Amino acid sequence: NAGVTQTPKFRVLKTGQSMTLLCAQDMNHEYMYWYRQDPGMGLRLIHYSVGEGTTAKGEVPDGYNVSRLKKQNFLLGLESAAPSQTSVYFCASSYSMGRRRDTQYFGPGTRLTVL
Amino acid sequence: GESVGLHLPTLSVQEGDNSIINCAYSNSASDYFIWYKQESGKGPQFIIDIRSNMDKRQGQRVTVLLNKTVKHLSLQIAATQPGDSAVYFCAENEGTYKYIFGTGTRLKVLA
Repeated sequence: NAGVTQTPKFRVLKTGQSMTLLCAQDMNHEYMYWYRQDPGMGLRLIHYSVGEGTTAKGEVPDGYNVSRLKKQNFLLGLESAAPSQTSVYFCASSYSMGRRRDTQYFGPGTRLTVL
Repeated sequence: GESVGLHLPTLSVQEGDNSIINCAYSNSASDYFIWYKQESGKGPQFIIDIRSNMDKRQGQRVTVLLNKTVKHLSLQIAATQPGDSAVYFCAENEGTYKYIFGTGTRLKVLA
C-alpha cells in the first residue's frame, strides 16, 4: 500500500513549456486534490475531483488544467508554464468530504521551478 | 531538503519537554480541524483531528485543544523528541471541499 504517490519529484521548466504532474493513490479514495505550497502561505487548492470523470476549480485554478480519467489517478497540467507557477505541488486524496469529512492523505510533493 | 516556509515562527524546545503549538482559525462556521506535521522535503502528514462538538482529543503523545469561543486551536506534544522537529500547521473545514490551511510553526527540538 503506497498511499499517494507523485511523479516527478523535481522538474525545471522554461517559460512557455508544458508539463503534466501525475498523482496516483491506491486507497480507493473518491476525492482527490491538487494544492500548491508557497513560502509564507498555507496550502492553496488548485483543482479537485469528487470522482472519476469529474473535476472542479479550487482557489487558484488559473493556468492549470486537470483530468481524472481513472479513479486512482489525478493529473495536473500546465499548458504554458510561467515563473509564478514555481512552487511545490501536493496531491491529496480522501475517502469522502462534506458531512462525513475524512482526513486528506498527501503525496510527497513535486518541486517545480519555472525559469 | 527544501524549506517551504522560510519565515515561519519558530518554537525551540528542549528534548523531553512538552511543546505547545497554537493556531488561530478564521471561519466561525468551521467544525472540523486537523493538525499536520511536515518534515523538510516531504508532504504533510496527519497527526490528529478534532470535531467541533469536542474541546479536547488525545492521541499518542499528542493532545489537541479547541476553544471555539476565541477560535483557537492548540497542539500539545508530550516529551518532545528529536524526530518531532518539523513544521506543524492546522487546517479547518466547514463541511465542504475547501480546507483552510495555516502557514505553520517550525518546531526545533534541542538536544
